[in-house]
Amino acid sequence: EAGVTQFPSHSVIEKGQTVTLRCDPISGHDNLYWYRRVMGKEIKFLLHFVKESKQDESGMPNNRFLAERTGGTYSTLKVQPAELEDSGVYFCASSQGSGTGSYEQYFGPGTRLTVT
Amino acid sequence: RKEVEQDPGPFNVPEGATVAFNCTYSNSASQSFFWYRQDCRKEPKLLMSVYSSGNEDGRFTAQLNRASQYISLLIRDSKLSDSATYLCVVNIRGSGAGSYQLTFGKGTKLSVIP
Repeated sequence: EAGVTQFPSHSVIEKGQTVTLRCDPISGHDNLYWYRRVMGKEIKFLLHFVKESKQDESGMPNNRFLAERTGGTYSTLKVQPAELEDSGVYFCASSQGSGTGSYEQYFGPGTRLTVT
Repeated sequence: RKEVEQDPGPFNVPEGATVAFNCTYSNSASQSFFWYRQDCRKEPKLLMSVYSSGNEDGRFTAQLNRASQYISLLIRDSKLSDSATYLCVVNIRGSGAGSYQLTFGKGTKLSVIP
């Protein structure tokens, strides 16, 4: 069974440009999450989809970040315009359920974003 | 105060040693607890869930003390392949109905030396 995949693995863009990250969850997983690790900090939650609906977007840093999951399959995270502080590793995770919070979340390999 | 705090590390131990990691969390409403392992430049992977009764998986033993809001991980007979960063992770209820989000510690780096 294929795991969570993310594209691209690495992106280098200039400040003010736009970048779109993609995540393909494990097939059949309704729950999809985005996390981010900024250098020197812990991994932080950004948002949670259940199918195509945003269940919780309390971790999104500001309105320069837009996440979508049309059709409830893959998800995209767009940063527009990118700022220097957006550099970091963006992880996507998926799980079968979310109920009591005990469902395992499987992580993708991450997209390393560098804004110069 | 950080939501999940871990030993700063790094821990450098010889093969065969026993090593213990500690973690505290601040949100008393936390629902579930995990240790994840992250190899250099890789994604986090679930090592084990942590239960109040304590649980063991081979050389790994995890313990949870809800009253003290404290989580531990013990690795016995360390192997070279155990070298990684160990992340203490707590699952808390999110702002959306039925939503949960993982809250991570910064991680403790373990190097097992031949």
